[in-house]
Amino acid sequence: EAGVTQSPTHLIKTRGQQATLRCSPISGHTSVYWYQQALGLGLQFLLWYDEGEERNRGNFPPRFSGRQFPNYSSELNVNALELEDSALYLCASSGRRRSNQPQHFGDGTRLSIL
Amino acid sequence: AQRVTQPEKLLSVFKGAPVELKCNYSYSGSPELFWYVQYSRQRLQLLLRHISRESIKGFTADLNKGETSFHLKKPFAQEEDSAMYYCALSGDSGGSNYKLTFGKGTLLTVNP
Repeated sequence: EAGVTQSPTHLIKTRGQQATLRCSPISGHTSVYWYQQALGLGLQFLLWYDEGEERNRGNFPPRFSGRQFPNYSSELNVNALELEDSALYLCASSGRRRSNQPQHFGDGTRLSIL
Repeated sequence: AQRVTQPEKLLSVFKGAPVELKCNYSYSGSPELFWYVQYSRQRLQLLLRHISRESIKGFTADLNKGETSFHLKKPFAQEEDSAMYYCALSGDSGGSNYKLTFGKGTLLTVNP
């Protein structure tokens, strides 16, 4: 079975630009989670989508947003990029929301802000 | 608020020695606890979860609600166990709290 796939692998942007990161969950999974792994801060929860709706949001500013498509793939958008947004962004997927299924992670997108 | 603490950033043991990676948590409800592992150049992967009560690759972890701990143990470490280990917590079922809260991780090195 194909795992969680993320694209692009690496993204280089400058301050003030906008970035779009993409995630395809494991087939059959309806939940998609986004995490940020910044240097020194560890893995921090960003967003959770399930069945097309945002279910929970971490302590991040509104310029971090996303959506989930009917095929359950997801996009993370970061507007007005700042230097501190440089990080590895991980996507995870799991089964249906009403049961707490383990999350399976992708390889991540490394976002570098120059 | 939920919090996970892994007190050791680095842990170094010799092959064949016992290993224990510590994890303490803070959560007001009934959490679910996980251990994730990341081997060199590989993605983060689930090692075990407390409700499964199983041993994976010789590792076990017992949830101690009194001490709010979920330490990972292996009686005889192998060189291939060298990796970054993350303890993670998820909230109660039935709500909107399935997000994972991670500890900062412990880098385990098993020396020959």
